[in-house]
Amino acid sequence: DAGVIQSPRHEVTEMGQEVTLRCKPISGHNSLFWYRQTMMRGLELLIYFNNNVPIDDSGMPEDRFSAKMPNASFSTLKIQPSEPRDSAVYFCASSNRDRLTYEQYFGPGTRLTVT
Amino acid sequence: GENVEQHPSTLSVQEGDSAVIKCTYSDSASNYFPWYKQELGKGPQLIIDIRSNVGEKKDQRIAVTLNKTAKHFSLHITETQPEDSAVYFCAASGHNQGGKLIFGQGTELSVKP
Repeated sequence: DAGVIQSPRHEVTEMGQEVTLRCKPISGHNSLFWYRQTMMRGLELLIYFNNNVPIDDSGMPEDRFSAKMPNASFSTLKIQPSEPRDSAVYFCASSNRDRLTYEQYFGPGTRLTVT
Repeated sequence: GENVEQHPSTLSVQEGDSAVIKCTYSDSASNYFPWYKQELGKGPQLIIDIRSNVGEKKDQRIAVTLNKTAKHFSLHITETQPEDSAVYFCAASGHNQGGKLIFGQGTELSVKP
């Protein structure tokens, strides 16, 4: 299995620009999670989906952030407009909820730098 | 909601020594406790987990113990090697969290040759 795939691996953009991060979960997994990691705040859960439906978006910082999961094999996290404080590593993780277990498998992350 | 505290934040050991990282949780309904290892520039990797129906689990040099009464769990690494150097995260989850993992703050482990 290829594991969770994220793209791009690195993104540098200017303040005010739109940023789109992409994730392909492990095949057969039906839960998908977006996290943000910074030195100050550690690993924060932004939003998660079950069967492509957003379940909990209470971690999304503000309206500038949005996430979609149009099908079981693809999700996006969009920031519009981006700000320097959005600079962080963004991780996607997936799990198989049908097993009633909670093992989450993380992708390699996207390092976002907003200047 | 669930809250997970992790200690220490940094840990330095000599190669061959043992390392222990401890976590406490607040929600007595939590029943799943994974440990993740994160190497520089990589995503967290699941290395071992334990469920509330067992008290200890081992996998080669790593082991995890769980004390449900005291609501704490620990990661034990024996015969440490330089490649064990990484940041380690504990987490807790259960039905009350709807499958979400609540992470500790992380422990940076350094194994000196």
